[in-house]
Amino acid sequence: AAGVIQSPRHLIKEKRETATLKCYPIPRHDTVYWYQQGPGQDPQFLISFYEKMQSDKGSIPDRFSAQQFSDYHSELNMSSLELGDSALYFCASSYPVGGRNEQYFGPGTRLTVT
Amino acid sequence: DAKTTQPPSMDCAEGRAANLPCNHSTISGNEYVYWYRQIHSQGPQYIIHGLKNNETNEMASLIITEDRKSSTLILPHATLRDTAVYYCIVRAPFKGAQKLVFGQGTRLTINP
Repeated sequence: AAGVIQSPRHLIKEKRETATLKCYPIPRHDTVYWYQQGPGQDPQFLISFYEKMQSDKGSIPDRFSAQQFSDYHSELNMSSLELGDSALYFCASSYPVGGRNEQYFGPGTRLTVT
Repeated sequence: DAKTTQPPSMDCAEGRAANLPCNHSTISGNEYVYWYRQIHSQGPQYIIHGLKNNETNEMASLIITEDRKSSTLILPHATLRDTAVYYCIVRAPFKGAQKLVFGQGTRLTINP
């Protein structure tokens, strides 16, 4: 079965640079979530989109922005990168129906800021 | 969403059943119990969810007590590949996007 695709899988950037992470949800899934997982931490919610509209926002820095496009893929844009942004970034997708909302996660993008 | 409490770690022998408990004593009547797991540095993986009745799928079984204040995830024949952090999450049904809040979780180690 098709899974969530994230690209790139690994990214190395320097401080103050910008990065763009991409997420392609499972076909027919209209909802996308972004999570950040620092070393030794649990995943933390950043932002979500439902039917191409921003739905909820977590502890996402103002330096980060995201959007969901007409084909439902999503991009997370990160500017003025800091060392503390080094983390795993996961995208998840779902198709909420009947109150159910299982999320299916991609393999993640490992961002290293040097 | 209701708060959950899980033991921080558990061990289980390979081939035996792994029983992971979760306490959610403040759960509301319409809230579901979801289980996810995260194998080291991989994306979290949905396992199973339930409301009132016990549930079973190809991965696991979920036993919810009659008062719904606790539940147990059962991996019937644990393998080394089941070593992961297991998260119990309680969520109300919601139309649209609803974030997951990952708490402490249980670090399950399957021993050969």
